[in-house]
Amino acid sequence: GDSVTQMEGPVTLSEEAFLTINCTYTATGYPSLFWYVQYPGEGLQLLLKATKADDKGSNKGFEATYRKETTSFHLEKGSVQVSDSAVYFCALSERGSTLGRLYFGRGTQLTVWP
Amino acid sequence: DTEVTQTPKHLVMGMTNKKSLKCEQHMGHRAMYWYKQKAKKPPELMFVYSYEKLSINESVPSRFSPECPNSSLLNLHLHALQPEDSALYLCASSQDLAEAFFGQGTRLTVV
Repeated sequence: GDSVTQMEGPVTLSEEAFLTINCTYTATGYPSLFWYVQYPGEGLQLLLKATKADDKGSNKGFEATYRKETTSFHLEKGSVQVSDSAVYFCALSERGSTLGRLYFGRGTQLTVWP
Repeated sequence: DTEVTQTPKHLVMGMTNKKSLKCEQHMGHRAMYWYKQKAKKPPELMFVYSYEKLSINESVPSRFSPECPNSSLLNLHLHALQPEDSALYLCASSQDLAEAFFGQGTRLTVV
């Protein structure tokens, strides 16, 4: 079945540090891949997405590249800010009977200190 | 408008109460979802509606009853809940394989 494996957290960084959060997936078909962010007390917001191999999703300085050969979608940011502190979820969705349901990774808590 | 609106934001209910959570979207999306999220965990799928018909029920207890009155609205009726049902309930909508848009959630506490 479909699943997402996300690196364990929490991740604690100083402001302007480089961020990587690893994400790998298992899928029976050809999924779309997403990163969602959840700030305290809020719902999930889409951060970026990629729908086919070698696509790079980017938003607000965050990037992730869809790597079919390594079944990965790692999230990166060159210089984090305190305002990036949140929980980040890697997710996938597939065609067919799953009707676009999302399979989530466990989530990674990021804390950025000034 | 890329918004999914959920009401109420917070709800406290007793184990004998009946209450409803509401979700609305005006993006023309044909798939709508209910997810349950416990603290420090990812969202867990509960129900999927596709074209206003219940398409997936992830073995959710019958004390949770979903309803889709029209293509813009999704309700979740709650009855005889248990304290362990306390969680953040998230509604989402999507179109085809595009991204899902989430509401802000309803924080439910069962006492």
